[in-house]
Amino acid sequence: EPEVTQTPSHQVTQMGQEVILRCVPISNHLYFYWYRQILGQKVEFLVSFYNNEISEKSEIFDDQFSVERPDGSNFTLKIRSTKLEDSAMYFCASSMSSSAVEKLFFGSGTQLSVL
Amino acid sequence: KQEVTQIPAALSVPEGENLVLNCSFTDSAIYNLQWFRQDPGKGLTSLLLIQSSQREQTSGRLNASLDKSSGRSTLYIAASQPGDSATYLCAVSRASNYQLIWGAGTKLIIKP
Repeated sequence: EPEVTQTPSHQVTQMGQEVILRCVPISNHLYFYWYRQILGQKVEFLVSFYNNEISEKSEIFDDQFSVERPDGSNFTLKIRSTKLEDSAMYFCASSMSSSAVEKLFFGSGTQLSVL
Repeated sequence: KQEVTQIPAALSVPEGENLVLNCSFTDSAIYNLQWFRQDPGKGLTSLLLIQSSQREQTSGRLNASLDKSSGRSTLYIAASQPGDSATYLCAVSRASNYQLIWGAGTKLIIKP
């Protein structure tokens, strides 16, 4: 079964450093998303991406965050200057459409630890 | 603002029992509702998706119901097995952009 792949599974970085989290969505999917889950808290929406542009973003997704689809297969989340509070599990997801019948498919996540 | 609540936060039952997990949401203007399973160290797996116009969906031993007017959904698991142990999350989508609003989850433990 096709799956969403995320790398790395764990990332440790120093506060103030830039990190790039990588995702390979399912190949025929057109919609891409990033969610995050801080330890012990609910999953939170960050951003949705379609047709090479952001379609919606949450208030969490400030100027420190950016997303890119640099080629036909990868979808990346960049955090420019990490803060302690960015420590979380980051999940990438994809779907074929935004139809009400479409499930979201999630990757296994990248655990980001900011020291 | 949409709020999603799941009760109970944790549940431990013997193998073989049927069980019900609850999800409630404050704004009935939803696009769809999904139930997910989260295993430690793994991603989020979509179990069932109910469109706003539907009342229930079934997949194997799982049945999810939706009562949009009362803002409630239930996930029924029949004949529970130890492999069902996981955290179960419900999430609602308020529009077709898939900005899912999540509950905190129910951690389910099935004792052999």
